[in-house]
Amino acid sequence: KAGVTQTPRYLIKTRGQQVTLSCSPISGHRSVSWYQQTPGQGLQFLFEYFSETQRNKGNFPGRFSGRQFSNSRSEMNVSTLELGDSALYLCASSLSSDRGVGEAFFGQGTRLTVV
Amino acid sequence: AQSVTQLGSHVSVSEGALVLLRCNYSSSVPPYLFWYVQYPNQGLQLLLKYTTGATLVKGINGFEAEFKKSETSFHLTKPSAHMSDAAEYFCAVSDAGNQFYFGTGTSLTVIP
Repeated sequence: KAGVTQTPRYLIKTRGQQVTLSCSPISGHRSVSWYQQTPGQGLQFLFEYFSETQRNKGNFPGRFSGRQFSNSRSEMNVSTLELGDSALYLCASSLSSDRGVGEAFFGQGTRLTVV
Repeated sequence: AQSVTQLGSHVSVSEGALVLLRCNYSSSVPPYLFWYVQYPNQGLQLLLKYTTGATLVKGINGFEAEFKKSETSFHLTKPSAHMSDAAEYFCAVSDAGNQFYFGTGTSLTVIP
């Protein structure tokens, strides 16, 4: 059974550009969450999608957005990149919509560097 | 609101010694608790989880954790450390909608 796949693994972008990250969840999983990991702030929740609907959103500016497709694949977009957006972006998929019942399986992440 | 506090950002143990990583949580609802491990440039791998039932939870690689409601703790232990255990460990509590609140992590060093 394939795990969570995130593409690309590494990205280098220039300030002011935009970027799109992709996440393919485990087959059958309908919940996809995104997290930003930085040395200073640790792991912070961005948003969660379930059946193409955003169910929950963290405390990030509107430059961070996402969507989920009918096949549960998800994309995350960051517009007008800032140096502080440099981070490891992790995607997690879960089987169930019930709290805690479906443990989160994480991808290897996309390392975004903004220069 | 949910939150997690991990005491000790860095822990060093000798190979073969007991591993103890501390985690305290705050939750307004009965918590679901997790421990994840992260190796360099990798995602998070689930070690174990507590949802309901038995408060002593056994996980992979010989790790276990005990849920103590009275102490709001969920400490991770392993009787004998192995070199391959060196990694970053995260404690997390889950919220409605599968939102996880993570601690700041504990970096475990195993000394040969």
